[in-house]
Amino acid sequence: GENVEQHPSTLSVQEGDSAVIKCTYSDSASNYFPWYKQELGKGPQLIIDIRSNVGEKKDQRIAVTLNKTAKHFSLHITETQPEDSAVYFCAASKGSNYQLIWGAGTKLIIKP
Amino acid sequence: SAVISQKPSRDICQRGTSLTIQCQVDSQVTMMFWYRQQPGQSLTLIATANQGSEATYESGFVIDKFPISRPNLTFSTLTVSNMSPEDSSIYLCSAGGLTNEQFFGPGTRLTVL
Repeated sequence: GENVEQHPSTLSVQEGDSAVIKCTYSDSASNYFPWYKQELGKGPQLIIDIRSNVGEKKDQRIAVTLNKTAKHFSLHITETQPEDSAVYFCAASKGSNYQLIWGAGTKLIIKP
Repeated sequence: SAVISQKPSRDICQRGTSLTIQCQVDSQVTMMFWYRQQPGQSLTLIATANQGSEATYESGFVIDKFPISRPNLTFSTLTVSNMSPEDSSIYLCSAGGLTNEQFFGPGTRLTVL
């Protein structure tokens, strides 16, 4: 079945630096790739998503890139701030049943 | 985006009892899902809540243990039945439309003693 691998499991960066989280998916029919941010004690929050007909999408300090040939997609956060500290999850969906296949998560730590 | 609320936000229950978790969406949605998340882990889909019909369960989850109702397009319940300590977890409700986006509730933190 579909599988999504996410790396790294923990990422520590200096405040102001950039952070990159990578995910690889196995099912070439996947066409929707969201990223969620989960803060402690809260539910996951959709922060950005990308569909298979687009290679890159940006929203202020956050960007997502998609390489369909290599079947991987990445989350880029620039000018990191303390409030970016959280667990980030990638996911993939084929769209036919709207189910999301989840990565294992990345704990992002922003060092002051 | 949809705003989703869950009740209760947390509970401590005795083994052998059952707990029903409610999920309310502020607008009509096509899809509603129930997930389980162990501390420090990713999300595991329990089932898709289908409006007006039986839920669709994922492998490893059965209706007798996790009965689900979805009487309309904005509301669903998940019951955790005959609980054991292994059921201690965070239970999350999500909702989405035909564009694949899913929005999550705040979760219900369940501890079974």
